[in-house]
Amino acid sequence: KQEVTQIPAALSVPEGENLVLNCSFTDSAIYNLQWFRQDPGKGLTSLLLIQSSQREQTSGRLNASLDKSSGRSTLYIAASQPGDSATYLCAVRTGNNRKLIWGLGTSLAVNP
Amino acid sequence: DTGVSQDPRHKITKRGQNVTFRCDPISEHNRLYWYRQTLGQGPEFLTYFQNEAQLEKSRLLSDRFSAERPKGSFSTLEIQRTEQGDSAMYLCASSLAGQGYEQYFGPGTRLTVT
Repeated sequence: KQEVTQIPAALSVPEGENLVLNCSFTDSAIYNLQWFRQDPGKGLTSLLLIQSSQREQTSGRLNASLDKSSGRSTLYIAASQPGDSATYLCAVRTGNNRKLIWGLGTSLAVNP
Repeated sequence: DTGVSQDPRHKITKRGQNVTFRCDPISEHNRLYWYRQTLGQGPEFLTYFQNEAQLEKSRLLSDRFSAERPKGSFSTLEIQRTEQGDSAMYLCASSLAGQGYEQYFGPGTRLTVT
């Protein structure tokens, strides 16, 4: 059974810092992996999607890497801003139905 | 195209009442997913449709829950005889098979059962 773990559960950093969020999964047979952002009480915004054949994806200040064999992904946020404060969720897509299996998220606070 | 929409955004109901939520996916997306998210947790898969066919239901989906997608476009999720444990955010997502299966999420419906 696929399980997704995110570390740390919470993170507080001063504005301007570079930071790394971690995601691990137990079954390497994934179709792809997706990082999402969720603001309090709101829905999910897709940040980056990495196919199983890819090693990384970049969008602006965000960079996500994937090491499928070791079951790990990282989300790198450069030059963090207070507007980055949110919960970041990692999800892997697996199986024929392509449903997402989710981690519990990392709650990020960027302090001005 | 305005993305995935859900209605209502918030619903407060008394225990024992029935509620129905609606999801309108991105047009031409043939897959539609329902997830449930409780406070402090990641979303949990409930069910999904390919066109009008419901292809999988999670064991989380008790007999009180039913979902439909009658014409392969919008979907409804009904909860009968609501319980306080049903209080959660109900999220809908859609995807187009063959485009990496990337799922696009709606804003969610927050259900509070009192």
